[in-house]
Amino acid sequence: QKEVEQDPGPLSVPEGAIVSLNCTYSNSAFQYFMWYRQYSRKGPELLMYTYSSGNKEDGRFTAQVDKSSKYISLFIRDSQPSDSATYLCAMRENDYKLSFGAGTTVTVRA
Amino acid sequence: DGGITQSPKYLFRKEGQNVTLSCEQNLNHDAMYWYRQDPGQGLRLIYYSQIVNDFQKGDIAEGYSVSREKKESFPLTVTSAQKNPTAFYLCASSIDFNEQFFGPGTRLTVL
Repeated sequence: QKEVEQDPGPLSVPEGAIVSLNCTYSNSAFQYFMWYRQYSRKGPELLMYTYSSGNKEDGRFTAQVDKSSKYISLFIRDSQPSDSATYLCAMRENDYKLSFGAGTTVTVRA
Repeated sequence: DGGITQSPKYLFRKEGQNVTLSCEQNLNHDAMYWYRQDPGQGLRLIYYSQIVNDFQKGDIAEGYSVSREKKESFPLTVTSAQKNPTAFYLCASSIDFNEQFFGPGTRLTVL
């Protein structure tokens, strides 16, 4: 069993829809949770990071963490074609090592 | 502009060859990392360095080597001992544990 599971998709939505992305994990020691966006053939860029359970909002993006269920989510409201990318969840304990999900590829259709 | 640069963008290796991937950062970050990305898999950590002249193996260090002689530079050598080196290689740096900033990547192909 992988330490971090992420549905690979692909996910295709019309412009303006809400995109919902999820990851589950097995290591209860994870404390810090991140979402990265990766455009094709580029390096990932950090979108959101949260500590412990709860919600965090940044513009059209909302990150949720539910530590009791070992489940994290990213929501993208009013999706745009420019949001078409692969989204990677990542998490860590209190050290340098990040554990990544496999990534979900999202296409937003104009 | 501050950032991380990787070169070359594309690299082709013959069987039995060693190749070196370059990673440079001008963000004044202490920590640097090398990851490997394969289709359908998450990023896997090859090596990381928290400070100059010190580095630690990640999850898949076999067949790779690194050096950290300068704060700005963290080159990765893919040796002939790495049996399946075709992948997308990403370098990252951070000033603390959380925000790892990634370079644009090098795509290595074995001929």
